[in-house]
Amino acid sequence: KQEVTQIPAALSVPEGENLVLNCSFTDSAIYNLQWFRQDPGKGLTSLLLIQSSQREQTSGRLNASLDKSSGRSTLYIAASQPGDSATYLCAVGLNYGQNFVFGPGTRLSVLP
Amino acid sequence: DAGITQSPRHKVTETGTPVTLRCHQTENHRYMYWYRQDPGHGLRLIHYSYGVKDTDKGEVSDGYSVSRSKTEDFLLTLESATSSQTSVYFCAIKANTEAFFGQGTRLTVV
Repeated sequence: KQEVTQIPAALSVPEGENLVLNCSFTDSAIYNLQWFRQDPGKGLTSLLLIQSSQREQTSGRLNASLDKSSGRSTLYIAASQPGDSATYLCAVGLNYGQNFVFGPGTRLSVLP
Repeated sequence: DAGITQSPRHKVTETGTPVTLRCHQTENHRYMYWYRQDPGHGLRLIHYSYGVKDTDKGEVSDGYSVSRSKTEDFLLTLESATSSQTSVYFCAIKANTEAFFGQGTRLTVV
């Protein structure tokens, strides 16, 4: 059974810092990996999607990498801003069942 | 925005009553999903659909049923609501290989 973990569970940084969020999964037979942002009381917003054949994806200040063989993905946020404060979730797309398995999330606070 | 609308957005219901949540999409995507999100458990899959009248169970399907009579609508029914089903329910679609989510329905069973 695929299991997804995220470290750290919570992170607080001053504005302007670069930071890395980590996502680990137990079964490397994934179809893709997706990073989401969730604001309190809101739905999930897709940030980046990495296909299993890719190593990384970039969007603005965000960069996500994928190492399938080691079961890891990282989300790098450059020059963090208070507006980046949210919970960040990763999800792996499975080869079978056409489903997604989610990690528990990292709650990020960026202090002005 | 992938054109996903969930209704209702908030609902309070009594234990033992049936409840139906609706997910509507505007773009005719084949795959639709229902998840619940709870503190300490994250997002867990309840049921999913891969086409009209084609559905399958997820990780936490007990006490829930689904129906998909049209491509655009995916209904989640709690046959007899229990307090353990108090949660936030999210509908999602898969567009190509990417997941997109609705805004959620907050359900409270009293």
